[in-house]
Amino acid sequence: GQQVMQIPQYQHVQEGEDFTTYCNSSTTLSNIQWYKQRPGGHPVFLIQLVKSGEVKKQKRLTFQFGEAKKNSSLHITATQTTDVGTYFCAGVSMGGGSNYKLTFGKGTLLTVNP
Amino acid sequence: SAVISQKPSRDICQRGTSLTIQCQVDSQVTMMFWYRQQPGQSLTLIATANQGSEATYESGFVIDKFPISRPNLTFSTLTVSNMSPEDSSIYLCSVERPSSYEQYFGPGTRLTVT
Repeated sequence: GQQVMQIPQYQHVQEGEDFTTYCNSSTTLSNIQWYKQRPGGHPVFLIQLVKSGEVKKQKRLTFQFGEAKKNSSLHITATQTTDVGTYFCAGVSMGGGSNYKLTFGKGTLLTVNP
Repeated sequence: SAVISQKPSRDICQRGTSLTIQCQVDSQVTMMFWYRQQPGQSLTLIATANQGSEATYESGFVIDKFPISRPNLTFSTLTVSNMSPEDSSIYLCSVERPSSYEQYFGPGTRLTVT
């Protein structure tokens, strides 16, 4: 079945430093999504990328979708303590009819030292 | 975005018993999903529940162990049957923002089996 690998597993940074997490799928994806889960919380949708080579920005966050639609990255510029949490990528793969499935990567836990 | 509630928020159960988790959404949705998340781990899809049809289970999950009901467009239940300590986990329901593949998650049910 489809596998989505994500690295690194953990990242500890000083506040103000940049952060990047990478996601790689074993198969070509329809779309890719990113979620953030704060400690003790539930995953919260951040963004969805659909097009090959797409780049989207949300304030200090930059999301990229690879040309082959098999990899993606999330980059945070100048991290803040509010960025703490686990960032998951999730690959969207289509099933039959209107069915689809999200396959989540293992996530990257970001901690920020103030 | 949809507002999703889950009951119970947490429970401690004896092995061999069953627990039914409820998921309530404040708006009508077609697709609902049930996930399992071990502490500090990624999310694994258990099944997709569409109103009016049988739930679709992922590999490794069977209806006898995780029966699901979807009686209407705002409600679903997941039962964890004949529990063992290996079933200790966080169980999350999610719903799709219509026609987008974006998912919104409930707060989760933390289950401990002793």
